[in-house]
Amino acid sequence: RKEVEQDPGPFNVPEGATVAFNCTYSNSASQSFFWYRQDCRKEPKLLMSVYSSGNEDGRFTAQLNRASQYISLLIRDSKLSDSATYLCVVIPGYSSASKIIFGSGTRLSIRP
Amino acid sequence: NAGVMQNPRHLVRRRGQEARLRCSPMKGHSHVYWYRQLPEEGLKFMVYLQKENIIDESGMPKERFSAEFPKEGPSILRIQQVVRGDSAAYFCASSPATGDGNEQFFGPGTRLTVL
Repeated sequence: RKEVEQDPGPFNVPEGATVAFNCTYSNSASQSFFWYRQDCRKEPKLLMSVYSSGNEDGRFTAQLNRASQYISLLIRDSKLSDSATYLCVVIPGYSSASKIIFGSGTRLSIRP
Repeated sequence: NAGVMQNPRHLVRRRGQEARLRCSPMKGHSHVYWYRQLPEEGLKFMVYLQKENIIDESGMPKERFSAEFPKEGPSILRIQQVVRGDSAAYFCASSPATGDGNEQFFGPGTRLTVL
């Protein structure tokens, strides 16, 4: 089983729709979680951190489910500009950088 | 405040040549990380450096790859005797000196093509 798994997609949804995807992790001791966004042939950029209590930033909501070991990202009222690959990042603990694990990403395509 | 800078943005090498990739972290950042991304795959950690120190190189292939972050100048990822399988995007990221769990800021990447 991979340490971090994401559905590769692509998720193809119409503009204005709500879309959600998950990322599962295998290490129950994982401490920090993030969602990054990567546009085609560009560098990843931090979208949001994922806190235990969940967090919301505008149209984006991130949640953590420790019992089931997954994090989720919900995008409401999707825009064409949301089309990108979304990478989840899991850090097991305050340890070596080698433990920063990137998922392979979920591709999202918003159609007009 | 300039972001993380990488150069060259694109690099073409023939098999057997050397590739040198440079990364200048954001101002004030003393932690540098190198990642490799193969097509349609996620980022794979390679090495973590601070000034003049390699902190963690557990993601580096045992041969042909080396990295440094000198006291002055950019961090360098060096690949000797490149092979076709080295073709990938190589991203550098930097973070402030506050340890793990902090945002890493990525450079635009160097796309290496080995002919």
